[in-house]
This record gives sequence, C-alpha cells and structure tokens, in this order.
Amino acid sequence: EVQLVESGGGLVQPGGSPRLSCAASGFTFSSYWMSWVRQAPGKGLEWVANIKQDGSEKYYVDSVKGRFTISRDNAKNSLYLQMNSLRAEDTAVYYCARGGQQQLGHWGQGTLVTVSS
Amino acid sequence: QSALTQPPSASGSPGQSVTISCTGTSSDVGGYNYVSWYQQHPGKAPKLMIYEVSKRPSGVPDRFSGSKSGNTASLTVSGLQAEDEADYYCCSCAGSNNLVFGGGTKLTVL
Repeated sequence: EVQLVESGGGLVQPGGSPRLSCAASGFTFSSYWMSWVRQAPGKGLEWVANIKQDGSEKYYVDSVKGRFTISRDNAKNSLYLQMNSLRAEDTAVYYCARGGQQQLGHWGQGTLVTVSS
Repeated sequence: QSALTQPPSASGSPGQSVTISCTGTSSDVGGYNYVSWYQQHPGKAPKLMIYEVSKRPSGVPDRFSGSKSGNTASLTVSGLQAEDEADYYCCSCAGSNNLVFGGGTKLTVL
C-alpha cells in the first residue's frame, strides 16, 4: 500500500525557515516524480513544486521561487521542502504527492503550516 | 500561472448527471493532454479521479468520465450518488513541468 506521511508543520513566525518532510513507503520511491501541493484554509489547491526521480530537475510556482527548495533522498525514501522567508500567505496545509505533470496519483494527509507572530 | 476557471458550484439529484467545466488557455489545458481531476471530501486529502484527460485510475467508478475540447476540459459524473458530494479540482500541465489547478467546484447532491 502506498503511504505518504508528511511532518514538520506547525506555528512559525514570519521570516521563519521550517523544513517539511514526507516519508514514502509501499512503492519504489526512486522511480517517481514527487510534488508538493498546498491549500490555504478554506481555499483551493495550489501546486508548489516538483522534483524529478534523480533530483536533477526541480520546478516551482512563481510565488515561492527563491524562497522554497524541494529535495529528495532516495536512500531514505524521503521528500523535503525547505521553506525560507515565510509570509502569512504561505499559511496552508502542505501535501506531498506522488507524481509530476501527468498525474498526482497518491497524496499524504498533509501537514499544516501556520505563519503568525 | 493563472488558475484554471471552474464554476464555484454544481448540483444534481441522485441518479442524474452533472458536468463540471475547467477552462484554461492554449498554454495549459489546450496545449497538453495532461488534465487531471481530483475529488476532495471535507478534511481529507485529494483523490485522483481522472488523469490524462479521460483515463480512470483503478478503483474509480466508471460513473466518472473526462473529456477535453480546445481550452476547456470537463468532468462528468453520471448516476449521482450521495458520496459524490465533494469539492472537485481540475489540474493541467502548464509547460516546463509546471502545474496549475482550477479554483475548485463544490458539488452538491440534492
């Protein structure tokens, strides 16, 4: 069974730099593109970033370019999102998802990041 | 990277069919056959319902179907059931491995 479990969320001050993690199991992690998608409270889904199987290609939504960094460790079956210079508008549930541009076939349960002083 | 346009709401009675539209541009929906649809129940993670415009993952009922014409994709739910009541989001490749979602449609089963 495919499982994606996010962690690392919580209350963060503006300008903070949390790192989100996503632990993957039940599939060959190194064979898949992986993505981060976020959802602000009461709002719709927003794609944040994705990364190729070997980490050689990374893509970001314009609003996080230069502030967020997606990475992965295939030996640990883990996906990461380093978030820097956080703003109030980054407050959201962050989902880890398996897949890239073609489909997001499996999703984690999400981790809530709240940016507030 | 502008969001795709979906109607905020849609509704139908049990057993009826309802279609949700998703309008983009030639740079996203119209330019790629990588349109997917996601169902999200309150407090839950999204679930893939349709990928590559019209393909259904295993386990998704054949009551769900997808199509595309030009810059507009559509999701049709036939034989509406109470458990279909949820938010639905379309998503498209927008070039350079970027993705863009629609604003979401709240489907109500009357």
